[in-house]
Amino acid sequence: SAVISQKPSRDICQRGTSLTIQCQVDSQVTMMFWYRQQPGQSLTLIATANQGSEATYESGFVIDKFPISRPNLTFSTLTVSNMSPEDSSIYLCSAETGSYEQYFGPGTRLTVT
Amino acid sequence: SQQGEEDPQALSIQEGENATMNCSYKTSINNLQWYRQNSGRGLVHLILIRSNEREKHSGRLRVTLDTSKKSSSLLITASRAADTASYFCAASTGFQKLVFGTGTRLLVSP
Repeated sequence: SAVISQKPSRDICQRGTSLTIQCQVDSQVTMMFWYRQQPGQSLTLIATANQGSEATYESGFVIDKFPISRPNLTFSTLTVSNMSPEDSSIYLCSAETGSYEQYFGPGTRLTVT
Repeated sequence: SQQGEEDPQALSIQEGENATMNCSYKTSINNLQWYRQNSGRGLVHLILIRSNEREKHSGRLRVTLDTSKKSSSLLITASRAADTASYFCAASTGFQKLVFGTGTRLLVSP
């Protein structure tokens, strides 16, 4: 298994600003991912965070809006840029440990006003 | 949308009863994973079943997988109030990406 932490746990931000969310894994992992969970909904994959190269984005998500960094095998960041109220969601990072099991962080609850 | 479906959307039972949740998915999978989420917090990994497995147990959990029907079920036996949560299935497609189901909200009353 893996223990994953995220910072911040929650934030309230103003429209037009940006927020960077950090994700730290307690062991080296090959695969890290970022998901979004809109209020009352299920999870949707935003992108795969690739170590040493650009992230791979899913349909409907673009790098300018959700830039992602992955400088090493234990850490990744997601930035939500130029925020609008529609970006209010829980953002979760996850890591796949090599046994195909995917573990999730506690999430960052973002409210945009 | 590639998102899977779960039913029921909500389930209310008494402590001691069994709870069964069903999940359907749309594509070929490598494995299927079940998660629990309490009150919009992080997801807790419950169990992974591989595409070549038909049934798997973990404590009070029993998961089945029918790849011909593209469906899975999660059974929680002898439920407890602490089992109250939302439960999600997630189908692992290529490159370990997960496609989540719509979720089942389970309420277990004392």
